[in-house]
Amino acid sequence: DQQVKQNSPSLSVQEGRISILNCDYTNSMFDYFLWYKKYPAEGPTFLISISSIKDKNEDGRFTVFLNKSAKHLSLHIVPSQPGDSAVYFCAASGVESQAGTALIFGKGTTLSVSS
Amino acid sequence: NAGVTQTPKFRVLKTGQSMTLLCAQDMNHEYMYWYRQDPGMGLRLIHYSVGEGTTAKGEVPDGYNVSRLKKQNFLLGLESAAPSQTSVYFCASTEPGRETQYFGPGTRLLVL
Repeated sequence: DQQVKQNSPSLSVQEGRISILNCDYTNSMFDYFLWYKKYPAEGPTFLISISSIKDKNEDGRFTVFLNKSAKHLSLHIVPSQPGDSAVYFCAASGVESQAGTALIFGKGTTLSVSS
Repeated sequence: NAGVTQTPKFRVLKTGQSMTLLCAQDMNHEYMYWYRQDPGMGLRLIHYSVGEGTTAKGEVPDGYNVSRLKKQNFLLGLESAAPSQTSVYFCASTEPGRETQYFGPGTRLLVL
């Protein structure tokens, strides 16, 4: 049973346009959400995060929106650049666990930005 | 400051062989994790450690063992490799109370 879902395996966008990546979750105990970016043959790198007490967090071209009532978050990239082409993972934490801040990951969305 | 490093980068094993993957971090992090990533799947937690000398099972621990003899190192062992363990393995670390985990570059393992 997937607790974090990224229902779009891939997304293609033109350079300069907005990219919107979506993520849904089922566990209402999650209180912190993160987005990781992964290039081929590299490890995931942290991109941006949001606490459940906020509904928006912005960092340069990247903005994450959280809709707690819908258990939905989205990552907006404006403007998109070819270097943004990568796999984006949504992750959630907050469930009581002995594993410290255990992260539950979605399956990822592959973003392709064409010039 | 190298962050999180993993050794080896790539390895081919035959079914039944054993091997150890090494993860090292120089950030003095208390918590360390081993994940595996399979095609079309997110990262799944294998084992984790919340401090030197402690380890515990994650979501998919079967067929793996771990050890954390030194704070900076976290070892993942495969005693008898199986084709189902063909995957990319990522190590991560963080501090207590922090949600952001820092990942290594990964080890690609192929079991024939």
